[in-house]
Order: sequence, then structure tokens, then C-alpha cells
Amino acid sequence: NAGVTQTPKFQVLKTGQSMTLQCAQDMNHNSMYWYRQDPGMGLRLIYYSASEGTTDKGEVPNGYNVSRLNKREFSLRLESAAPSQTSVYFCASSLGHRREQYFGPGTRLTVT
Amino acid sequence: ELKVEQNPLFLSMQEGKNYTIYCNYSTTSDRLYWYRQDPGKSLESLFVLLSNGAVKQEGRLMASLDTKARLSTLHITAAVHDLSATYFCAVDKGAGNMLTFGGGTRLMVKP
Repeated sequence: NAGVTQTPKFQVLKTGQSMTLQCAQDMNHNSMYWYRQDPGMGLRLIYYSASEGTTDKGEVPNGYNVSRLNKREFSLRLESAAPSQTSVYFCASSLGHRREQYFGPGTRLTVT
Repeated sequence: ELKVEQNPLFLSMQEGKNYTIYCNYSTTSDRLYWYRQDPGKSLESLFVLLSNGAVKQEGRLMASLDTKARLSTLHITAAVHDLSATYFCAVDKGAGNMLTFGGGTRLMVKP
């Protein structure tokens, strides 16, 4: 099992550009999450999907949209990137509500 | 709003020494996680603490949870260099699927 995979690993965008971060899990988990981690800080939840077909805002949702494409895949879209969105983005999944979360390797995004 | 505070933020210690990292949180919760992160890497789950008084041990690390005091500790016994990493606690609010993370404790163990 690959666990949680993310693409791309690194990305550089100019202000105003858009992009989609991809996440997939092969553990048959129901819940998936997107976090961001800024330098020297803990993770903050952007959006989550408790189950296929549902999505909900987390702590810092502004400037992002998500799509739960199917049970395996959960994507994060930046419509108009801003320098404040420079961060490392982690996807995670869990079997269900209030269960342990497993994290992907992260995507390092720089917006210039 | 749930706040999670870890201390210390940075810890430099000698091999063989013992130390404790503290995780305080501001509202009631009965579920807390400890994660390890190596530089440039993802988060690795260390412990899941599910109830008041829970204690888990793995190797040189032991974690405990006191829900009444809203406090979790991660105790390091006889530290070795391989334990050098950043350690995060994360508290489950119980609402939705949200985890709130502490700011992390960067641990450096010197030979």
C-alpha cells in the first residue's frame, strides 16, 4: 500500500495563477483532509471531507476550494494564488470520524 | 476557540538525559495525538490517547493524558540522537473531524 500520495511535490506559482493539488489514498478511508503548515508552526486545517460527497470548511478555508472526486481522491484548488499561500500543504486521511489521521508527504508551494 | 500550546518550543539536550514536553489545551477534549516530524518530511503518528489517565509507551517515549488538567506530556527517557525531530501534539475538538495542532517542540539531542 502506498498510503497517502500527493502531487506535485514542489510547485512555484506567480501571483494570480491557479493550480490544483492532488491527493489520493489507498487505505479505503472515508475521511480526508487538507492542512497547511507555515514555517515553524503546527498544521492548520483548510478543508475536510467526512465522507464521499461531503466537504466542510476548516480553520483557514479562504482562497481555497476542494473536490472529493471519489472515495480515494481529494483535491485542493487555488483559484488565484497569493504570496500568503506560500506554505507546505499536507493531505491526510482517516478511517472515519475522530479516527487517527495518516499524512501524505506534502507539497511545497511557493507563490511569488 | 480551542488553543493548544506546547512548551518548550525548542529543546537541546544531551544524549542519556531525560526530559518532558508539555501540551496544554484550552477546552474539554478526550482525545489527543502525538506526531513526529523530521525536517522536510511528513508527520508520523506516535501515540493516540483516548481517555483520561491514558498512558502509552514506545521505546524511549512515553505519553500521558490528563483531561481534567487539559494536559498531555511526552516524556523522553535516556535520549538518543535519533530522537532529534519536531514533536507535535494535536487535540481533537470532538466537533467535525478537526484536529488543532500545537506549535511543535523542536528537539535536538547532542551526542
